Amino acid sequence: NAGVTQTPKFQVLKTGQSMTLQCAQDMNHEYMSWYRQDPGMGLRLIHYSVGAGITDQGEVPNGYNVSRSTTEDFPLRLLSAAPSQTSVYFCASSYHPVGDRRYEQYFGPGTRLTVT
Amino acid sequence: AQSVTQLGSHVSVSEGALVLLRCNYSSSVPPYLFWYVQYPNQGLQLLLKYTSAATLVKGINGFEAEFKKSETSFHLTKPSAHMSDAAEYFCAVSDRGSARQLTFGSGTQLTVLP
Repeated sequence: NAGVTQTPKFQVLKTGQSMTLQCAQDMNHEYMSWYRQDPGMGLRLIHYSVGAGITDQGEVPNGYNVSRSTTEDFPLRLLSAAPSQTSVYFCASSYHPVGDRRYEQYFGPGTRLTVT
Repeated sequence: AQSVTQLGSHVSVSEGALVLLRCNYSSSVPPYLFWYVQYPNQGLQLLLKYTSAATLVKGINGFEAEFKKSETSFHLTKPSAHMSDAAEYFCAVSDRGSARQLTFGSGTQLTVLP
């Protein structure tokens, strides 16, 4: 299994441009989420999905859209990039329906985004 | 709303010394608690978790943490630091109703000195 994969690894955008960060997992996980990591602030939840066709907002959803058409993929769209969206973005997934392991999340390697 | 406080954004220890990384949480009911480690330019990896079983939790790489309800703490320890332990460590909390939605602390950068 490749686990959780993210593309691209690095991206530079100009203010106002749009783009999609890709996230895929091959573990048949139902739950997927997007976080952003900023220095001194830890990770903050942007959006999450509990299954195909179901998404919801996290702590910092403004400026981002998501959709979940398949179990495997959970893309994050920046509609009109702003310098405040310069960050490292992590995708995570989890699925263990019963038992202690249902709380474990698996993180991708991240996408480093710079908006100028 | 839950919150997590990690005391000390940078901690330095000598190789072979005790590692102690502090985490306090704020929650109305005992939550689920996690420690994650992030090596440079990588994603996060789960070290250990507390989900209401034993209060002393053992994780990977020789780390352990103790849940203390009276102190609302979940400090991470390792008896003897190794150079390979140098990384950033995050404490995270989730409530029992939405256990997969994590709230992270701001992180502690651990430096291990030779």
